[in-house]
Amino acid sequence: EVQVVESGGGLVQPGGSLRLSCAASGFTFSSYWMSWVRQAPGKGLEWVANIKQDGSEKYYVDSVKGRFTISRDNAKNSLFLQMNSLRAEDTAVYYCVRQLGGTGDYWGQGTLVTVSS
Amino acid sequence: QSVLTQPPSASGTPEQRVTISCSGSSSSIGSYSVSWYQQLPGTAPKLLIYGNNQRPSGVPDRFSGSKSGTSASLAISGLRSEDEADYYCAAWDGSLRGWVFGGGTKLTVL
Repeated sequence: EVQVVESGGGLVQPGGSLRLSCAASGFTFSSYWMSWVRQAPGKGLEWVANIKQDGSEKYYVDSVKGRFTISRDNAKNSLFLQMNSLRAEDTAVYYCVRQLGGTGDYWGQGTLVTVSS
Repeated sequence: QSVLTQPPSASGTPEQRVTISCSGSSSSIGSYSVSWYQQLPGTAPKLLIYGNNQRPSGVPDRFSGSKSGTSASLAISGLRSEDEADYYCAAWDGSLRGWVFGGGTKLTVL
């Protein structure tokens, strides 16, 4: 059974940092692009970043460029999102998503990040 | 403001057919396939339609998708109370080099 499980969310002050993790199982992790998608409270979905199978290509939404870094460890079937210089508008549930082509075919349950003083 | 445009709300009565539209551009829907996601209250999004009109296993054939030019649509026939959810369209955008979503449509079953 395909599973992606996020962790690492929590409360952080503006300007702070947080590292999200996503543990993947039930599929060959190294064969898939992976994405992070977020959803602010009461709002819609927003793609944040994605990474190619071998980590050689990474793309980010403009609002997080220079602050967030996506990475992966294929040996440990894990995806990461390092978030620095956090702002109130980064408050959201962050989903780890397996990509198949242009489709997110499996989504985790999400981890909540709250940026507040 | 979302890159893809959806109506914020839609509604229908049981057994009725409803459609939800999704409008994009030549660099998004015009060039790449569209997927649709269903988000039930308090849960993570779930893939409903991929490749414009393909259903993953387990998704009822009451759900169908179509695409024409820079627009796409999701149709739900034989509407049921459990279909009450938020629905999102998505596509890759070659100009933005990113995955773009619609703002979501809240479907109410009256």
